[in-house]
Amino acid sequence: AAGVIQSPRHLIKEKRETATLKCYPIPRHDTVYWYQQGPGQDPQFLISFYEKMQSDKGSIPDRFSAQQFSDYHSELNMSSLELGDSALYFCASSKKETVGGGGYTFGSGTRLTVV
Amino acid sequence: AQKVTQAQTEISVVEKEDVTLDCVYETRDTTYYLFWYKQPPSGELVFLIRRNSFDEQNEISGRYSWNFQKSTSSFNFTITASQVVDSAVYFCALIVLRTSGSRLTFGEGTQLTVNP
Repeated sequence: AAGVIQSPRHLIKEKRETATLKCYPIPRHDTVYWYQQGPGQDPQFLISFYEKMQSDKGSIPDRFSAQQFSDYHSELNMSSLELGDSALYFCASSKKETVGGGGYTFGSGTRLTVV
Repeated sequence: AQKVTQAQTEISVVEKEDVTLDCVYETRDTTYYLFWYKQPPSGELVFLIRRNSFDEQNEISGRYSWNFQKSTSSFNFTITASQVVDSAVYFCALIVLRTSGSRLTFGEGTQLTVNP
């Protein structure tokens, strides 16, 4: 079965640079979520989109922005990168009406290292 | 607001021992879903089990079992006859459905090390 695809798997950037992470949800899933997991920490919710509109917002820095496109893929844009942005970034997708029933699927994550 | 607490930061056992990971949650909602995820050293989040707030039936799946008790707001996870491959970080998580979206709230995670 198709899974959530994230690219790239690994990314190394220098401070003050910009990074773009991409997420391709499972076909027919209408909601995309982004999470950030710092070293030794639990994943923290950043932002979500339902049917291409922002639906919920967590502790996402102003330097970050995200959007969901017409083909339902999503991109997380991160500017003015800081060392503290080094983390594992997960994307997840779901169908709104089945999210509690196990329809919440994570991608393999993008490991961002800021040097 | 929702909160998930995993009091055990690290657990170390010897292979073939049984181990229980504790999870306590807080929510004012009556409808919610609880999850356990496994995160091996490779980093991906592996879904293990979900439970909704109306289903307190406990379950056994192979070497895994779960104990959900609403009265104590606990959702504990047990591995019997542990194996080295079980070594990972285990996260308990909670979803409350909202029209604005259904974010997962994770516990801090428990690092399980199974030694040969």
